[in-house]
Amino acid sequence: QQPVQSPQAVILREGEDAVINCSSSKALYSVHWYRQKHGEAPVFLMILLKGGEQKGHEKISASFNEKKQQSSLYLTASQLSYSGTYFCGTLYNRDAGGTSYGKLTFGQGTILTVHP
Amino acid sequence: DGGITQSPKYLFRKEGQNVTLSCEQNLNHDAMYWYRQDPGQGLRLIYYSQIVNDFQKGDIAEGYSVSREKKESFPLTVTSAQKNPTAFYLCASSIASYSNQPQHFGDGTRLSIL
Repeated sequence: QQPVQSPQAVILREGEDAVINCSSSKALYSVHWYRQKHGEAPVFLMILLKGGEQKGHEKISASFNEKKQQSSLYLTASQLSYSGTYFCGTLYNRDAGGTSYGKLTFGQGTILTVHP
Repeated sequence: DGGITQSPKYLFRKEGQNVTLSCEQNLNHDAMYWYRQDPGQGLRLIYYSQIVNDFQKGDIAEGYSVSREKKESFPLTVTSAQKNPTAFYLCASSIASYSNQPQHFGDGTRLSIL
């Protein structure tokens, strides 16, 4: 089952902050975050493991709330280069059952636009 | 430099025709994946392979076929049974499918119907 990302789109001015959420109805093992520029390949940002870990990448960080089965991506002091579509990919716990374990299931994406 | 090479970048298919998309990696990764991306949508898994000579269906395998005869190659055939093949196709690889390692993506192939 596909994770749900919110919001679907965000428009920012340079220097503003944004939060993108990724929620799952199934127990998560890890969450991957990727950014894709239009017409290009997705680029890996970071992986969050269950345990509430928070990681950072430049001015982009993320957290993983195991109780809520949710990950949030934080973009601070946004730059023009941050524009693109952000995808979360979820890897489910072994005990979630089904055939989802071991392969990423991607959300529908959040379009981020940063204006000067 | 290591990476994933997809070819061709653009491909056109005639009705009733099978077409094959190439994906080659020199990262020495065991796992390889094929995704389909439609406008405004996320990535949907078509097939994946954890090791040579083994592959599993993803969420939307109907109308597609793959082979994994070599570690570095994972070609995708879009058969005539796939009635709506127009999409952006992405190939990816990772060290292993059960690890928490990132997936590395190729630049994609854009397939259209003539």
